[in-house]
Amino acid sequence: DVVMTQSPLSLPVTLGQPASISCKSSQSLVHNDGHTYFSWFLQRPGQSPRRLFSEVSKRDSGVPDRFSGSGSDTNFTLKISRVEAEDVGVYYCMQHGHWPHNFGQGTNLDI
Amino acid sequence: EVQLVESGGGLVQPGGSLRLSCAGSGFKFSSYWMSWLRQAPGKGLEWVAHTRPDGGDKWYVDSVQGRFTISRDNTKNSLFLQMNSLRAEDTAVYYCVGNVASWGQGTLVTVSS
Repeated sequence: DVVMTQSPLSLPVTLGQPASISCKSSQSLVHNDGHTYFSWFLQRPGQSPRRLFSEVSKRDSGVPDRFSGSGSDTNFTLKISRVEAEDVGVYYCMQHGHWPHNFGQGTNLDI
Repeated sequence: EVQLVESGGGLVQPGGSLRLSCAGSGFKFSSYWMSWLRQAPGKGLEWVAHTRPDGGDKWYVDSVQGRFTISRDNTKNSLFLQMNSLRAEDTAVYYCVGNVASWGQGTLVTVSS
């Protein structure tokens, strides 16, 4: 199985400051069809997860442009240019190119 | 707007069975890959089962293989999860997910005597 490893697991931040989360996979996420099935999710307290990015860097509708996704192969990064109060929650990386699809452990971002 | 609404959760004894349902609306259900994921209390997210748009192929995480069955009825825009031989470690909020991106609000399954 592919293992997804996030760091850090806890990320205290200051409003208006940048933040960055890393996710590494135990094997390449480049699928046979050439796509990289890697996504980022945010789960706010008491809510269902919401996808932020698909295929590494494709921003979902309504996601502010202060968020960016990057990376390739086995190394991926989520960056927030200036953290706002609504960004608090747990961030998960996820791969769905290999079964079983799976998530990283989650990164708890708080102010 | 895509909407997914789960139902069927509740309290069940170890060894018991439960059937979860998910009603989809606001999108072409028959074109979506549909999945069940779960989140144990205070824990992370786990894929449980996954099915193609036509329901022809299904995948299960090892821990539920042989106990859970995912199915869908595209004529009724519905997804199901039949859960048998339930264990305490199956206790979780179960989410219905469409094409990875669209999530329901979840339904809580508690396995306890």
